[in-house]
Amino acid sequence: GQNIDQPTEMTATEGAIVQINCTYQTSGFNGLFWYQQHAGEAPTFLSYNVLDGLEEKGRFSSFLSRSKGYSYLLLKELQMKDSASYLCAACTYYKLSFGAGTTVTVRA
Amino acid sequence: NAGVMQNPRHLVRRRGQEARLRCSPMKGHSHVYWYRQLPEEGLKFMVYLQKENIIDESGMPKERFSAEFPKEGPSILRIQQVVRGDSAAYFCASSPRAEPNYGYTFGSGTRLTVV
Repeated sequence: GQNIDQPTEMTATEGAIVQINCTYQTSGFNGLFWYQQHAGEAPTFLSYNVLDGLEEKGRFSSFLSRSKGYSYLLLKELQMKDSASYLCAACTYYKLSFGAGTTVTVRA
Repeated sequence: NAGVMQNPRHLVRRRGQEARLRCSPMKGHSHVYWYRQLPEEGLKFMVYLQKENIIDESGMPKERFSAEFPKEGPSILRIQQVVRGDSAAYFCASSPRAEPNYGYTFGSGTRLTVV
């Protein structure tokens, strides 16, 4: 089966940096996705890692270590609009296995 | 270029009734996936369809649930004789190919409440 773990909640101050960790155990691993989901809305794609290392996209970066079954999402220069749930998902070909999501609250 | 369209956004059904959830994929996307999100839980895969074919329904409950993606029209997730435990958000996603790096585009979901 698939097992995806991420923290339930994190709180940070506007302008700060937050790192959301995700560990996964899955067979047939084919990449790691991060999605952002605001309450009552669709998950929106943030990043995809299939090789080890860091992928940077503006204020958001994502890291993957396949040997350790570990990923993190780094959010820099936090803004109030970044308050949302962040979903880690391990991919097995076409199927995504999601963690329960990390709710990030940004305080002024 | 419209995204993945799901309707209705909210659906209330009494126990024992049928629920029909619709999903129109993005233009050019022929792969459709349904996921269910229970309160305080992650999204769980239900079914993967291509036009007129069910490719993988390993996440679908064996009874009362069915899905289709006809040649013409939207994909339909059908839940017969709904029970309170079916209350959840149901998300549809589509992709142009099955390879993961193409990613999914999710719809805004249908929130089903069974009373």
